[in-house]
Amino acid sequence: DAKTTQPPSMDCAEGRAANLPCNHSTISGNEYVYWYRQIHSQGPQYIIHGLKNNETNEMASLIITEDRKSSTLILPHATLRDTAVYYCIVKGGSNYKLTFGKGTLLTVNP
Amino acid sequence: GAVVSQHPSWVICKSGTSVKIECRSLDFQATTMFWYRQFPKQSLMLMATSNEGSKATYEQGVEKDKFLINHASLTLSTLTVTSAHPEDSSFYICSAPGDWGGDNEQFFGPGTRLTVL
Repeated sequence: DAKTTQPPSMDCAEGRAANLPCNHSTISGNEYVYWYRQIHSQGPQYIIHGLKNNETNEMASLIITEDRKSSTLILPHATLRDTAVYYCIVKGGSNYKLTFGKGTLLTVNP
Repeated sequence: GAVVSQHPSWVICKSGTSVKIECRSLDFQATTMFWYRQFPKQSLMLMATSNEGSKATYEQGVEKDKFLINHASLTLSTLTVTSAHPEDSSFYICSAPGDWGGDNEQFFGPGTRLTVL
């Protein structure tokens, strides 16, 4: 699976949009971009995933660049409960294994 | 979404004893489950893939005789840490993939914190 690069930490004000970037320049054509998050001392939680097109669900939006070498996770109105480590993971659709990098610690401030 | 549970949520044991951790998929069947370990301030490290009805597959560097995995049914996988030592103290997390609709997002358990004295 392709490697990803994320900033180690970001801050965001409560109520504002949080934009978390991820670089995956070696992604191949059949690999998906997945986002998970882990709140302190809990198991990771699935957020969203996509292949080419932008995706939106009740939690977040995923914007994938046309060349698919990078993506951005958007939390439209961050709350204090969104403070967590966010992991961007690239993997093939038929591959169940997830390889976690270091992720981005998002801190939402009041 | 689907729910994965773990038991116990935390355990403290003496060095040299064995500890069993259970991972259950509550409302779906999982022929495959994964076990991760997470040390403080570090990311999750995949330890092994648990396969129902067959042997587990271990990642490089993980001792299969120390971390025994049994996938006894389509909803239960167990991880036994044998002869635990303080360096085995960690946060152990299991996961199971969902297969519906071709997506295979994974559902994670809440984790088990093991402290070996």
